[in-house]
Amino acid sequence: AQKVTQAQTEISVVEKEDVTLDCVYETRDTTYYLFWYKQPPSGELVFLIRRNSFDEQNEISGRYSWNFQKSTSSFNFTITASQVVDSAVYFCALSELRGSSNTGKLIFGQGTTLQVKP
Amino acid sequence: KAGVTQTPRYLIKTRGQQVTLSCSPISGHRSVSWYQQTPGQGLQFLFEYFSETQRNKGNFPGRFSGRQFSNSRSEMNVSTLELGDSALYLCASSLGVYPGTGETQYFGPGTRLLVL
Repeated sequence: AQKVTQAQTEISVVEKEDVTLDCVYETRDTTYYLFWYKQPPSGELVFLIRRNSFDEQNEISGRYSWNFQKSTSSFNFTITASQVVDSAVYFCALSELRGSSNTGKLIFGQGTTLQVKP
Repeated sequence: KAGVTQTPRYLIKTRGQQVTLSCSPISGHRSVSWYQQTPGQGLQFLFEYFSETQRNKGNFPGRFSGRQFSNSRSEMNVSTLELGDSALYLCASSLGVYPGTGETQYFGPGTRLLVL
């Protein structure tokens, strides 16, 4: 069965600190897609990144970076020099597979609540 | 380009009633998925529609149903509401060019349903 685990329920940091959000996934297939979403208090899920299983390059976008390691089935997310506006719930998700095809279903982790204090 | 829109944003119903939620996808997107978010169960997949057909369904009772129209707009209906149906209902849309290829889903602001 496919599963996403975000072991960190809540993280609290002071502004300008770096913070890493962990994501571990389980899947038996070789082709899959991973995602990170941000959910601010307003409720809307904001897309951050999509990565397919064949692309193991790390990615950096401004203060955000992602470390994808197939060997450990992890897709961790780091925010450098955190800001108060980064306070939100962050979700890691895996696209469900059916046979060799992806379906439209996302399997989400339980989310990590990040609080950045000024 | 306008994002995914959902109406209404907030809804209060009583047990036993039924409710219909609406979702308009991003212009040009043909796939629509629905998710339920609760504090206890987290984000759970309800169903996915593409080209007016339900492609996938989550593990929810038959009281939960949905449909998609020819303009890709979608509605979901919950009949005989229960207290446990109180949740944030999120709609997401994706291009649908290659259904089933892990396309990025873009979410709307959600409808907060409270069942009393």
